[in-house]
Amino acid sequence: DSGVTQTPKHLITATGQRVTLRCSPRSGDLSVYWYQQSLDQGLQFLIQYYNGEERAKGNILERFSAQQFPDLHSELNLSSLELGDSALYFCASSGYTSYEQYFGPGTRLTVT
Amino acid sequence: QKEVEQDPGPLSVPEGAIVSLNCTYSNSAFQYFMWYRQYSRKGPELLMYTYSSGNKEDGRFTAQVDKSSKYISLFIRDSQPSDSATYLCAMSEGGGADGLTFGKGTHLIIQP
Repeated sequence: DSGVTQTPKHLITATGQRVTLRCSPRSGDLSVYWYQQSLDQGLQFLIQYYNGEERAKGNILERFSAQQFPDLHSELNLSSLELGDSALYFCASSGYTSYEQYFGPGTRLTVT
Repeated sequence: QKEVEQDPGPLSVPEGAIVSLNCTYSNSAFQYFMWYRQYSRKGPELLMYTYSSGNKEDGRFTAQVDKSSKYISLFIRDSQPSDSATYLCAMSEGGGADGLTFGKGTHLIIQP
């Protein structure tokens, strides 16, 4: 158990809808990262927050957004969902350095 | 050319064998090199990380980095069936403000 929690485990929704994924980092970690894992693209970095502020951006679509709250939990919002958004979404956390990241169990999103 | 290349396998070896897993990369700015293990439909688990070139050993696992060749390796000694998983290499420029860049992973099967 990495200490990172994610909810829900599974999410099934229709195209065009909006969903919110939630992540709680390990105790003491200030950085939260979001990743998308699909069969064809592998594990892709989306966005990083550090202590409530956006710190780095990866391959995140404009339809996706994230935020980190004062209690350090984070939410990833996915809107106008398309079939291609079906994937595993992982959250990871770390201290100040970015190279020692610990991953949560993931949320499996299925868009029908 | 992708930033990180990793043979997807599957790689099948008998129990007790020494396993060699490898990645090549193109971005010379990468300073930190990580290996993650991922069981089916689970979150990636950090095995070890290495800074710059050199070797690092942790139990049955040894990580090697050759920055001049842009080539990293993970060796598993006395492989066990429980080592059967997908192994992902990951890289970072460091500095605290970036996500990890992953290889697509090698699927390893240890035959009892």
